[in-house]
Amino acid sequence: DAGITQSPRYKITETGRQVTLMCHQTWSHSYMFWYRQDLGHGLRLIYYSAAADITDKGEVPDGYVVSRSKTENFPLTLESATRSQTSVYFCASRRGEDTEAFFGQGTRLTVV
Amino acid sequence: GQQVMQIPQYQHVQEGEDFTTYCNSSTTLSNIQWYKQRPGGHPVFLIQLVKSGEVKKQKRLTFQFGEAKKNSSLHITATQTTDVGTYFCDDAGNMLTFGGGTRLMVKP
Repeated sequence: DAGITQSPRYKITETGRQVTLMCHQTWSHSYMFWYRQDLGHGLRLIYYSAAADITDKGEVPDGYVVSRSKTENFPLTLESATRSQTSVYFCASRRGEDTEAFFGQGTRLTVV
Repeated sequence: GQQVMQIPQYQHVQEGEDFTTYCNSSTTLSNIQWYKQRPGGHPVFLIQLVKSGEVKKQKRLTFQFGEAKKNSSLHITATQTTDVGTYFCDDAGNMLTFGGGTRLMVKP
């Protein structure tokens, strides 16, 4: 789905560094989400946003910060990366409640 | 969002066999969405079920919503290697939280 893009696709960073993962969608969807998916596991919700300037915690928010100053962007920041944050990160968006979610291609983050 | 449990976690089948995954909740679900994630890929929406007892078909895939709206199933008839992947269900409430998924592996 070309309408939602994540960058970078791959990132290697060192423990303690700050890193920001970008998510951009072109549909003006109200809702956006960040998930992490560890090898062989399901999707765990980190943060979500129902609209610009509205964000809320998911299941595993510790160590992450989000912002949503514009509807189309939803960056995820790891303030001080730890090895346990090595994972694949997916961003998703949807127009409204109970509508189809569209996922980005994912960002594979390795913290060494 | 509601937490939903999926079973089984993993399923190996021989190509041509049928496959079913179940999604269960202790509380009533508003609706159910199903997604498929191919290995190395991202989740892709398959279908949404809204009504009690609803059944929908997509070629060899049959989706069902329980009468009490507390469970759902996805059945694949005569699996093919292209069916390989992880199937997730979700109660599409305000917070999109997924069940753990069922990983399907198909032996050719």
